[in-house]
Amino acid sequence: EIVLTQSPGTLSLSPGERATLSCRASQSVSGSHLAWYQQNPGQAPRLLIYDASSRATGIPDRFSGSGSGTDFTLTISRLEPEDSAVYYCEQYGGSPTFGQGTKVEIK
Amino acid sequence: QVQLQQSGPGLVKPSQTLSLTCAISGDSVSSNSAAWNWIRQSPSRGLEWLGRTYYRSKWYNDYAVSVKSRITINPDTAKNQFSLQLNSVTPEDTAVYYCARGWGLNPWGQGTLVTVSS
Repeated sequence: EIVLTQSPGTLSLSPGERATLSCRASQSVSGSHLAWYQQNPGQAPRLLIYDASSRATGIPDRFSGSGSGTDFTLTISRLEPEDSAVYYCEQYGGSPTFGQGTKVEIK
Repeated sequence: QVQLQQSGPGLVKPSQTLSLTCAISGDSVSSNSAAWNWIRQSPSRGLEWLGRTYYRSKWYNDYAVSVKSRITINPDTAKNQFSLQLNSVTPEDTAVYYCARGWGLNPWGQGTLVTVSS
């Protein structure tokens, strides 16, 4: 099983700042099959990025993904208040697994 | 636009079977390009993928090792839906259960809180 470790646990930033979230895999993710999700309280996760760097339909271009192998990054270029949420990475190159999440707080 | 609507009981007794259904609109459970997943989320285990079913000239199922001995995911082509059955549940199976489409899960169902308690 591929273990995904996300860092930091919590990120507290001001509107307009840049957020960088990390997802590190215990072994190489096949085909860069890595996704990022945003989850607000009481809601289902929402797909932001798939295949490491492709934005899902309707996702603003301030969200971008990068990386390959074992190291992946989600960048939110200019934070807006509605970006306050928990963000998860998921690998689906093998049996799918999720990271533990990064909470983004907007000051 | 694909939408998933979950249904099923929110309370299950220990040792019994958890059963949920996910109705699909805007796509077909028999699609040759989709997969239909079940995921759960709890404070202790986080997000946990449970399994999926998909059709590629025949039906396939993949299950997580952690539940493989207890889980069945079945498609229902007549009703365009798929189901989850999890046998011999314990309180550790208490979670919000979601269905979702694809690899790169999108969209998700609304979630069902299932509590295992007598």
